[in-house]
Amino acid sequence: GAGVSQSPRYKVTKRGQDVALRCDPISGHVSLYWYRQALGQGPEFLTYFNYEAQQDKSGLPNDRFSAERPEGSISTLTIQRTEQRDSAMYRCASSLRGNLGEKLFFGSGTQLSVL
Amino acid sequence: DQQVKQNSPSLSVQEGRISILNCDYTNSMFDYFLWYKKYPAEGPTFLISISSIKDKNEDGRFTVFLNKSAKHLSLHIVPSQPGDSAVYFCAAIRAGGGKLIFGQGTELSVKP
Repeated sequence: GAGVSQSPRYKVTKRGQDVALRCDPISGHVSLYWYRQALGQGPEFLTYFNYEAQQDKSGLPNDRFSAERPEGSISTLTIQRTEQRDSAMYRCASSLRGNLGEKLFFGSGTQLSVL
Repeated sequence: DQQVKQNSPSLSVQEGRISILNCDYTNSMFDYFLWYKKYPAEGPTFLISISSIKDKNEDGRFTVFLNKSAKHLSLHIVPSQPGDSAVYFCAAIRAGGGKLIFGQGTELSVKP
């Protein structure tokens, strides 16, 4: 596609429910990143993939968070048993080769609200 | 531990004047620095970058300066235009790592 696509744009859920956030990167981009952004803060790294391999998941806050990219394209970030503190903007980004300093292309994000 | 810091949450500049956005970092192992710009309701978009082996990179109205001894970089926009009004994020990355670390952002307002 023309850009990084994320769905849903907004997600409202009740505490304790599981949510799945989807990211469709730019076609052909090797690297895919997940970030979380709180209001008034910069994006906070969660995890990233090269192709289908998860390279770094050190930013995932706890084991309720997981991500996958099974075919090296679309990725899903899953949050189990959501809590109110999980409420944030979740952003996905992709880059062509994942080289040092290569620019990331960000999607518009999924705004998650946990009630 | 905030490895990349933008201590000014906001900046207001008159159109045509210079805008200077500052960023400090604590990790001397960072190899590359990038600036991203974000408009409301959109994701951040790449603006300009600089390698740690350089001290200046220029792209049109935008120039990034890096002072490694002070662990400080700055973004200069000259002349500033109302369309430059946005949130600007400084980011840094180490060689071998895919993790881009962002600052908190500075909201620039350029007044006509």
